[in-house]
Amino acid sequence: GQSLEQPSEVTAVEGAIVQINCTYQTSGFYGLSWYQQHDGGAPTFLSYNALDGLEETGRFSSFLSRSDSYGYLLLQELQMKDSASYFCAVSPLSGGYQKVTFGTGTKLQVIP
Amino acid sequence: DAMVIQNPRYQVTQFGKPVTLSCSQTLNHNVMYWYQQKSSQAPKLLFHYYDKDFNNEADTPDNFQSRRPNTSFCFLDIRSPGLGDAAMYLCATSRDRDPRGLAELEGTDTQYFGPGTRLTVL
Repeated sequence: GQSLEQPSEVTAVEGAIVQINCTYQTSGFYGLSWYQQHDGGAPTFLSYNALDGLEETGRFSSFLSRSDSYGYLLLQELQMKDSASYFCAVSPLSGGYQKVTFGTGTKLQVIP
Repeated sequence: DAMVIQNPRYQVTQFGKPVTLSCSQTLNHNVMYWYQQKSSQAPKLLFHYYDKDFNNEADTPDNFQSRRPNTSFCFLDIRSPGLGDAAMYLCATSRDRDPRGLAELEGTDTQYFGPGTRLTVL
């Protein structure tokens, strides 16, 4: 099976940088994704790592290390609108059809 | 714009009264999913369709059923809602994975979510 652990809550100051970690136990997966979800809204895709290393998309970057079973999402120049829940997710090699397992989720609060 | 649409956005039902939630997509994706999400929790996969091939999660209660009459539409039926079924229900779609094995580099694991239907059970 798969399990992905994240810190439950993180608080950071507007304009700062914050890192949200994701540690996982899985028998194998295609890639690690990150989703953002505002309160009352639907998850939206942020970033995807198929290979080890850093992927950068504007203010957001995501990192994956398969050897360490670890990934993170890095948010730079934090804005108030970044306050949301963030989920890491993997698509396991077994199971097929792009089934996705979500992490436990991290609620990010950005304060002035 | 191509999108995933869910109706209704808010549904109130009575304990034990059947309810149907609907999802439609204009993305022409092969795969459609239904998730249940409770407050402060991750989305929990209930089942998914690959075209007409139905895949039920082992821990999805029999109370939950699904239909996919065509590529664009998918329905979630809750036969006898209980108080514990009050939640946000999310529909999502994704593209087929490239059989050549290159798709993982293109991020085709991406799931596209609808806005969700919040179900209240009285």
